[in-house]
Amino acid sequence: DQQVKQNSPSLSVQEGRISILNCDYTNSMFDYFLWYKKYPAEGPTFLISISSIKDKNEDGRFTVFLNKSAKHLSLHIVPSQPGDSAVYFCAARDGGGSNYKLTFGKGTLLTVNP
Amino acid sequence: GAGVSQSPSNKVTEKGKDVELRCDPISGHTALYWYRQRLGQGLEFLIYFQGNSAPDKSGLPSDRFSAERTGESVSTLTIQRTQQEDSAVYLCASSLGRASYEQYFGPGTRLTVT
Repeated sequence: DQQVKQNSPSLSVQEGRISILNCDYTNSMFDYFLWYKKYPAEGPTFLISISSIKDKNEDGRFTVFLNKSAKHLSLHIVPSQPGDSAVYFCAARDGGGSNYKLTFGKGTLLTVNP
Repeated sequence: GAGVSQSPSNKVTEKGKDVELRCDPISGHTALYWYRQRLGQGLEFLIYFQGNSAPDKSGLPSDRFSAERTGESVSTLTIQRTQQEDSAVYLCASSLGRASYEQYFGPGTRLTVT
């Protein structure tokens, strides 16, 4: 049973436009959410996070939005750059359980075309 | 400073052989995690070490899998009698401590069982 779902395996956008990556979750005990970025042959790197007490967190070109009632979060990248092309993983922490485990989605491959 | 390192980067082994994967976490990080990523899947939690506490082995898929950690440094993940379904990228991550949400990942070891 997938608790963190990234339903779009891939996304393609033009350079300069907005990229929107979506993530849905089912566990209402998740209290902290993270986005990781992964280039081929490298490990995932932390990008941005959001606590469940917030609905938005912004860091430069990256903004994460959280809709708790819908159990949905999204990552916005504006403007998108070719160097943003990578696999993006959504991850969530279970605040009611082992507070060190992260549950990951399957990832979305973002391609930004010049 | 140095990030998380893993060795080997690639390992091809025959079914039934034992393999040992190594992880060197970031110096000063007390928490260490092992994950597995099968083709087209998200990251699957395997095991967690925190300081001198008993490790959380709840994610290990079978008793063929084991892991050790020497103090707060190197960790080894051992897979005995490898099977083809063990083929995956094995990722190690470390973090400052139990309460630290951000995990820093190594580049992974790609294991292929033939």
